[in-house]
Amino acid sequence: NAGVTQTPKFQVLKTGQSMTLQCAQDMNHNSMYWYRQDPGMGLRLIYYSASEGTTDKGEVPNGYNVSRLNKREFSLRLESAAPSQTSVYFCASQWWEGEQFFGPGTRLTVL
Amino acid sequence: KQEVTQIPAALSVPEGENLVLNCSFTDSAIYNLQWFRQDPGKGLTSLLLIQSSQREQTSGRLNASLDKSSGRSTLYIAASQPGDSATYLCAVCQGGSEKLVFGKGTKLTVNP
Repeated sequence: NAGVTQTPKFQVLKTGQSMTLQCAQDMNHNSMYWYRQDPGMGLRLIYYSASEGTTDKGEVPNGYNVSRLNKREFSLRLESAAPSQTSVYFCASQWWEGEQFFGPGTRLTVL
Repeated sequence: KQEVTQIPAALSVPEGENLVLNCSFTDSAIYNLQWFRQDPGKGLTSLLLIQSSQREQTSGRLNASLDKSSGRSTLYIAASQPGDSATYLCAVCQGGSEKLVFGKGTKLTVNP
């Protein structure tokens, strides 16, 4: 039982490049989330998915797209990376309004 | 809009001390409140989840209380140890939503 896994762990991009962050959970949770964490700003919700086939914007969705591929997987795509997207990205999952579980994070630097 | 505040932002205590971390929220219409721990360079680890109908939850040396009407929660850590050093975050789940609103955390340092 791996919980929530994220790939890659680290990534360096140049401005304008694109990439997809992958997230998977093996707890049969219905809801999945993408957050970014920045110094002094705390955790901010980018997008979430309440169930397979649905996605909704969070607090800071601009510059990102998401795909809920199936119940297990939820990916985050940066189409044209900008230095302002340098951050630590966390994926999380939960069962309805229960406990939320986090992945280990992806540290992204955009030059 | 729900806002979650954690005071103090940082706390340093000697080993063995009992301590209390505070969390306040502006909208009392919450479904539950969750306390997390984050070690440097790591993800968040869930410590305790308190449902809105509960007053407290306990896990080992940790006890979390919830006073929904006053918009407050406390995390009590008994007999603190250097291994407790981490950032502690609280988050509330608004009623009717599955989204969490996070505080900015309290960075705890327990000195040997």
